[in-house]
Amino acid sequence: GAVVSQHPSRVICKSGTSVKIECRSLDFQATTMFWYRQFPKQSLMLMATSNEGSKATYEQGVEKDKFLINHASLTLSTLTVTSAHPEDSSFYICSAYLGNEQFFGPGTRLTVL
Amino acid sequence: GDSVTQMEGPVTLSEEAFLTINCTYTATGYPSLFWYVQYPGEGLQLLLKATKADDKGSNKGFEATYRKETTSFHLEKGSVQVSDSAVYFCALNAGGTSYGKLTFGQGTILTVHP
Repeated sequence: GAVVSQHPSRVICKSGTSVKIECRSLDFQATTMFWYRQFPKQSLMLMATSNEGSKATYEQGVEKDKFLINHASLTLSTLTVTSAHPEDSSFYICSAYLGNEQFFGPGTRLTVL
Repeated sequence: GDSVTQMEGPVTLSEEAFLTINCTYTATGYPSLFWYVQYPGEGLQLLLKATKADDKGSNKGFEATYRKETTSFHLEKGSVQVSDSAVYFCALNAGGTSYGKLTFGQGTILTVHP
């Protein structure tokens, strides 16, 4: 139980385009999901907290107009990287919060050319 | 602000060796502490946790004790296996208004050779 999926697992896009990443809780409902960014050989950096039915809460230094988060249902949160640039290339990980524990998705590798 | 510091890796051990990965933290109040493991190609999984001082979390032969006096949560295993090769992350949740949010250490890569 408590499985979280992400789609796509990897994506390559051209600079200036937008990319949407989906995070789904497959067997439970999650009112809160989190989005992280992981740089090579570095820790996970929390980008934002996504709450179903309300606006996401972004961490300091994260551009909310650049990284659009939508939590439209209790099982789906999406992260859209708008007008992507090479410096946005990274590994993006989501998690869903259930019963005092976070369950993590496998991550999405974004490469912007 | 809250922070977690882990020993730098990578750590390379032979099978059946003893493992210690150090973790210290800085936080206000009384955080909950976690160890997560990330196997190659997979998402992070909770390995163990401790929610108050002197608690010992344990799972799959791994242990860590919440030491408030030294603000530490070191991960130990008496005899590692090749299948333990992974990246290990120490993390804390400060609670209160940061309900649910995790602050991670930088991760430690562990490689176990037969």
